[in-house]
Amino acid sequence: AQKITQTQPGMFVQEKEAVTLDCTYDTSDPSYGLFWYKQPSSGEMIFLIYQGSYDQQNATEGRYSLNFQKARKSANLVISASQLGDSAMYFCAMREVQDDYKLSFGAGTTVTVRA
Amino acid sequence: GAGVSQSPRYKVAKRGQDVALRCDPISGHVSLFWYQQALGQGPEFLTYFQNEAQLDKSGLPSDRFFAERPEGSVSTLKIQRTQQEDSAVYLCASSTGQTLGLDTQYFGPGTRLTVL
Repeated sequence: AQKITQTQPGMFVQEKEAVTLDCTYDTSDPSYGLFWYKQPSSGEMIFLIYQGSYDQQNATEGRYSLNFQKARKSANLVISASQLGDSAMYFCAMREVQDDYKLSFGAGTTVTVRA
Repeated sequence: GAGVSQSPRYKVAKRGQDVALRCDPISGHVSLFWYQQALGQGPEFLTYFQNEAQLDKSGLPSDRFFAERPEGSVSTLKIQRTQQEDSAVYLCASSTGQTLGLDTQYFGPGTRLTVL
């Protein structure tokens, strides 16, 4: 079974607007971490934001925020005030306590920011 | 400081050749990971080292794949008798190795392997 599901293969967003990237996950572990990475065309995976399963507040990091809904098992990424440099592939990933090192990735969402 | 580096960035091999991919982790990072990323997909876990010990190699697709980290720093992923299905980007990541809470994995730029 897929541990991470990203249902949006591609999205377009206008510069300076906000965009929400969907991520749902599946785990029976009570303790886990959720990560978002950005992968530009250069190929490197860039860490954006982290949410722990016991964190009470939604994580924020600059223009990135994570909308964590634990009961729904969703961890959507919100990018505010989109910039042209935000055009990239975005991956949601999870680390579970039972495999307290490996990351399980979703299939990714391609974001294209239009001027 | 320097991030994770990988070499070569691109490798073209003829089917049946052996290849070796190198990863230099962030200095002081205990944990090192290899992932395989097929075109248009998310990375898939291959193997994990804590210092020089290979603690998990469950993701290696076949016995043609072999990884080592003999001195607990640089790691090499070797693929013997390459096949076309081995064509992918191979990503290396390292982390501090803390077992609780956030332990961010920092990735290198990857090696794009093409097997003809």
